[in-house]
Amino acid sequence: EDKVVQSPLSLVVHEGDTVTLNCSYEVTNFRSLLWYKQEKKAPTFLFMLTSSGIEKKSGRLSSILDKKELSSILNITATQTGDSAIYLCADLSNFGNEKLTFGTGTRLTIIP
Amino acid sequence: NAGVTQTPKFRILKIGQSMTLQCTQDMNHNYMYWYRQDPGMGLKLIYYSVGAGITDKGEVPNGYNVSRSTTEDFPLRLELAAPSQTSVYFCASSYRGGKNEQYFGPGTRLTVT
Repeated sequence: EDKVVQSPLSLVVHEGDTVTLNCSYEVTNFRSLLWYKQEKKAPTFLFMLTSSGIEKKSGRLSSILDKKELSSILNITATQTGDSAIYLCADLSNFGNEKLTFGTGTRLTIIP
Repeated sequence: NAGVTQTPKFRILKIGQSMTLQCTQDMNHNYMYWYRQDPGMGLKLIYYSVGAGITDKGEVPNGYNVSRSTTEDFPLRLELAAPSQTSVYFCASSYRGGKNEQYFGPGTRLTVT
């Protein structure tokens, strides 16, 4: 059974700080790893990572995959209060019909 | 495009009642999914569908049923509601399974008492 573990479970930082969120996975036939941001409602897509070592960036957010270590990190620089959310990591396996397995998420709180 | 829409937004059920959660997408996506999210937990896959007429169980299918008669619609049926089914339910769709990201609906908050 696929497993995704995120750490820390929660994180509280001050506005302007840089944070690093971690995701590790155990999956059969790994294909890609996805990051989502969940505020009050539905998760919204951030990144999909398929190749090891390639960094994906969008503004202050970036993510990188380490296939050797079976892990990924999500970095947020110069954090803002609008970054407060739950960040979900999910892995996609190539087994069956391409199902996502989600971690429990990291709850990030930015203090003004 | 409206994207993925879900109805209702909120619902309170009594134990043993039945209901259907509706999900519709207008992006012509082949793949559709139902997840539940319990407080402080990640999303768990209930059922998914890779196209009209094809459905399959996810991680937590017990107590639920689905059908996929059209590409657009993927309703989730609860036959005998139990308190353990109190959760937030999300429907999602994607063009080709995980090759494209999943787009999520706004969710249905269900309480069973």
